[in-house]
Amino acid sequence: KQEVTQIPAALSVPEGENLVLNCSFTDSAIYNLQWFRQDPGKGLTSLLLIQSSQREQTSGRLNASLDKSSGRSTLYIAASQPGDSATYLCAVRKAGTALIFGKGTTLSVSS
Amino acid sequence: DTEVTQTPKHLVMGMTNKKSLKCEQHMGHRAMYWYKQKAKKPPELMFVYSYEKLSINESVPSRFSPECPNSSLLNLHLHALQPEDSALYLCASSQGRGSQNTEAFFGQGTRLTVV
Repeated sequence: KQEVTQIPAALSVPEGENLVLNCSFTDSAIYNLQWFRQDPGKGLTSLLLIQSSQREQTSGRLNASLDKSSGRSTLYIAASQPGDSATYLCAVRKAGTALIFGKGTTLSVSS
Repeated sequence: DTEVTQTPKHLVMGMTNKKSLKCEQHMGHRAMYWYKQKAKKPPELMFVYSYEKLSINESVPSRFSPECPNSSLLNLHLHALQPEDSALYLCASSQGRGSQNTEAFFGQGTRLTVV
């Protein structure tokens, strides 16, 4: 059974810092991996999708990497801002199945 | 347009009520999903429809009944719920099996409170 783990569970940083969120998964036979952002009580916003054949994806200040063989992904956030405060969820998909989520990392960026 | 629209945003219902949650997307996606999310927990899969057919049912109690009238709409019918069913219910869609791009898009959720 696929298990997804995110470390750390919570993170507090001052504005301007670069930071890394970690995601690991137990079954490397994934189809793709997706990072989401969730604000309190809201839905999920897709940030980045990495296909199993890709090593990384970038969008603005966000960069996500994937090492499928070791079962790891990282989300790098450059020059963090208070508006980045949210919970970040990592999810993996195997072919023909739905997403399986980690428990998330709750990020707080102070001004 | 990458929008998944869920209605209502909030719902309070008694344990004897019958209500429905609705979800709509116009991205041409052929897979639609219902997830349940409790506070400070990750979303948990409930149902998957692929090409309007129920393809995954994660042993959800029968008081939850999904319906997919067409490829753009997904409903979740609720009947005789329990207080522990109070949660954020999320709908999602993706292009479906066989597609190279299976990015999933989520709605803003329905906050359900059972009293």
